Amino acid sequence: DTGVSQDPRHKITKRGQNVTFRCDPISEHNRLYWYRQTLGQGPEFLTYFQNEAQLEKSRLLSDRFSAERPKGSFSTLEIQRTEQGDSAMYLCASSGDGTSGRAIDTQYFGPGTRLTVL
Amino acid sequence: EDQVTQSPEALRLQEGESSSLNCSYTVSGLRGLFWYRQDPGKGPEFLFTLYSAGEEKEKERLKATLTKKESFLHITAPKPEDSATYLCAVRHVSGGYNKLIFGAGTRLAVHP
Repeated sequence: DTGVSQDPRHKITKRGQNVTFRCDPISEHNRLYWYRQTLGQGPEFLTYFQNEAQLEKSRLLSDRFSAERPKGSFSTLEIQRTEQGDSAMYLCASSGDGTSGRAIDTQYFGPGTRLTVL
Repeated sequence: EDQVTQSPEALRLQEGESSSLNCSYTVSGLRGLFWYRQDPGKGPEFLFTLYSAGEEKEKERLKATLTKKESFLHITAPKPEDSATYLCAVRHVSGGYNKLIFGAGTRLAVHP
């Protein structure tokens, strides 16, 4: 029973560069979420996928951010022209539809990707 | 607007000293209140879900309770390995999708 995995775990980049993160959800989960967490705060919602459809985006997700889930399995989050304010932990979570034995609306989180923009 | 407030921000306990963490919430129709544990540099780890006032859940030294306005996470006889940040979240449902709205967390340190 594998959990949510994220890659890379850490990313250091220079301001203005583009970065891409990957999330592999729990295999039977059709719902996938991205959150951002800064030091001393709880995670903040960014976006949500049901299968391959992106159904909701937070106003925190500026035009420089784009997320995809092309085949309804793994997802990528890309940040273009990174800024120092983008430095944060980016968390991915997934939840199922009740057939996996886990609660339908429980979101299980991955280990996160720590982004540092210099 | 849905909101979650956790107190205290930080709590220091001696091993064996029981205490409680508070999570106050305002939400238009509670669809679930969640407790997570987060260790430094890691993602949140699911602990409990509560759905209705009066509900209680237990796991080892942790017990979560829910009223109409707040939830408590009771820690009985804590050990140093219980040191972590405890996050509370409510489920916001809108337009057929759901997201979690988190509080800022309570940082718990248990000393031997």
